[in-house]
Amino acid sequence: EAGVAQSPRYKIIEKRQSVAFWCNPISGHATLYWYQQILGQGPKLLIQFQNNGVVDDSQLPKDRFSAERLKGVDSTLKIQPAKLEDSAVYLCASSLSGAYNQPQHFGDGTRLSIL
Amino acid sequence: DAKTTQPNSMESNEEEPVHLPCNHSTISGTDYIHWYRQLPSQGPEYVIHGLTSNVNNRMASLAIAEDRKSSTLILHRATLRDAAVYYCILSGNNAGNMLTFGGGTRLMVKP
Repeated sequence: EAGVAQSPRYKIIEKRQSVAFWCNPISGHATLYWYQQILGQGPKLLIQFQNNGVVDDSQLPKDRFSAERLKGVDSTLKIQPAKLEDSAVYLCASSLSGAYNQPQHFGDGTRLSIL
Repeated sequence: DAKTTQPNSMESNEEEPVHLPCNHSTISGTDYIHWYRQLPSQGPEYVIHGLTSNVNNRMASLAIAEDRKSSTLILHRATLRDAAVYYCILSGNNAGNMLTFGGGTRLMVKP
């Protein structure tokens, strides 16, 4: 079974620029998550999709972050404009459903550095 | 939100068993206990989860206290590849559907 695919693996941009990350979840997984992991901390959930609908985006800084999952499969996360504090690893995860006992499967993330 | 408490770090010798503790005193009856681990430069990896009974899989065992206020992840024979940060997380009606990661326990394995 192919895992969660993310690209790019690394990205370096200057502050105030925009950036986009792409995620392809495991085939058949209805639920998709985006997390932000700042160095030395655990991942923090930004947004959760169930198929192409948003379940929870309470932690997403909506003034600069946006995410979509138009056809209920792939997803993109965008930051515009980027700030220095956005330097982090952005992780995508998927699960079969959003049930509490379903494990989440993570990609290896995109490491974003803001200059 | 239901929270968990784990030691910041632990050390183990290779090929010895490792017991990683987790306290979750505010757990509710419908909250699942999940364990994930994160190796350097990788995303978190699911290890095991349980509700009330002890659980075993090919990676580890999960021992859950009778009152469910604590649990222990057991690696039966630590290898150098088990060196990682281990996260104990609750999810459920009380804890919330999302996984809320704390700081985890950094496990160091000595050869």
